[in-house]
Amino acid sequence: DSGVTQTPKHLITATGQRVTLRCSPRSGDLSVYWYQQSLDQGLQFLIQYYNGEERAKGNILERFSAQQFPDLHSELNLSSLELGDSALYFCASSVESGFGTEAFFGQGTRLTVV
Amino acid sequence: AQSVAQPEDQVNVAEGNPLTVKCTYSVSGNPYLFWYVQYPNRGLQFLLKYITGDNLVKGSYGFEAEFNKSQTSFHLKKPSALVSDSALYFCAEGSGTYKYIFGTGTRLKVLA
Repeated sequence: DSGVTQTPKHLITATGQRVTLRCSPRSGDLSVYWYQQSLDQGLQFLIQYYNGEERAKGNILERFSAQQFPDLHSELNLSSLELGDSALYFCASSVESGFGTEAFFGQGTRLTVV
Repeated sequence: AQSVAQPEDQVNVAEGNPLTVKCTYSVSGNPYLFWYVQYPNRGLQFLLKYITGDNLVKGSYGFEAEFNKSQTSFHLKKPSALVSDSALYFCAEGSGTYKYIFGTGTRLKVLA
């Protein structure tokens, strides 16, 4: 158990809908990262927060947004969902960002858009 | 810009034989390199990292990795493979601006 909790584990929704994925980082970790894993594109970095502030953005679509709350949990919001958004969404956390600290991953949320 | 390459989509090895999973990197400055393993329907688990110091890094489950600066490589190794080592392995680089860049992954299959 990595200590990173993601809910829900599975989500099935229709095209055009909006969903929210939740992540609770390991106790004491200030950085939260979101990654998308699809079969044909590997692990794609979406966005990173550090202590409530956005620090880095990857190839995140405009239909997607995220935030980190004062208690350090994070939410990833996906809207106007398309079939191609079906993927595993991982949250990871680390004590700091950069400086060679390793990130710890949750078990992921499997999103299926039908 | 950071980049990581894992040139092999799949590696097959017989149980008991040594295994190597390859990774090369491109980064300006000193790299921070990581290996993760992913079992089916699970998240990524941290195996080991190289920050500085000895080029041979030891990690979890008997894995080790060798950092080679001249070849810009960070290959994952294990002296004797187990069937239970079969999984998807990711190399990552983490010295860039607030993110880890992952390779495309290598599927390791250990044959009994």
